Amino acid sequence: GAGVSQTPSNKVTEKGKYVELRCDPISGHTALYWYRQSLGQGPEFLIYFQGTGAADDSGLPNDRFFAVRPEGSVSTLKIQRTERGDSAVYLCASSRTGGAEFFGPGTRLTVL
Amino acid sequence: GQQVMQIPQYQHVQEGEDFTTYCNSSTTLSNIQWYKQRPGGHPVFLIQLVKSGEVKKQKRLTFQFGEAKKNSSLHITATQTTDVGTYFCAGPRRGGSEKLVFGKGTKLTVNP
Repeated sequence: GAGVSQTPSNKVTEKGKYVELRCDPISGHTALYWYRQSLGQGPEFLIYFQGTGAADDSGLPNDRFFAVRPEGSVSTLKIQRTERGDSAVYLCASSRTGGAEFFGPGTRLTVL
Repeated sequence: GQQVMQIPQYQHVQEGEDFTTYCNSSTTLSNIQWYKQRPGGHPVFLIQLVKSGEVKKQKRLTFQFGEAKKNSSLHITATQTTDVGTYFCAGPRRGGSEKLVFGKGTKLTVNP
């Protein structure tokens, strides 16, 4: 497709479970970002990939969060031992380096 | 740490009135970007400003970047109901990383 896609669109899980969120960026975009957005807030940076490597993971809140981008295209955000406070919309964006970021529709994560 | 602040947090206008939102950074920015997020949607890139004192127009929208590159504004002339949404400004985090720091946004509602 022409835009950034994210799956699933919604994910409901129980506290303590493991979840994976997938992002498929725009073809040719080398930069990929993950953000988390809570109600009434702006997107909060989590991690940035340039190609296959995590260029900046300083936004990951703790070691329960991990992200990979093994082939420099699709990325997966992994959350272990989910907590209720992890509930939010997880947004993925891609860009040509330094340019406009194109956001996907997001995954709404609900931890019960 | 670096902060990006936006005012007002909310703005209600009658259709046809003008609207302005202001963005202030605690640090000098190399560039500033503006995004619009419709209710239930994801952020959509509007524009990037790079030069000190830069002014750019997109139809009824006028964007300004301050001389000191620490503040910016978005002005909408003669608002329409299609302008409804939350407007975010974002600037690169200090230190050369590509990641963006977003403001909390200004939520605009337009009464027809």
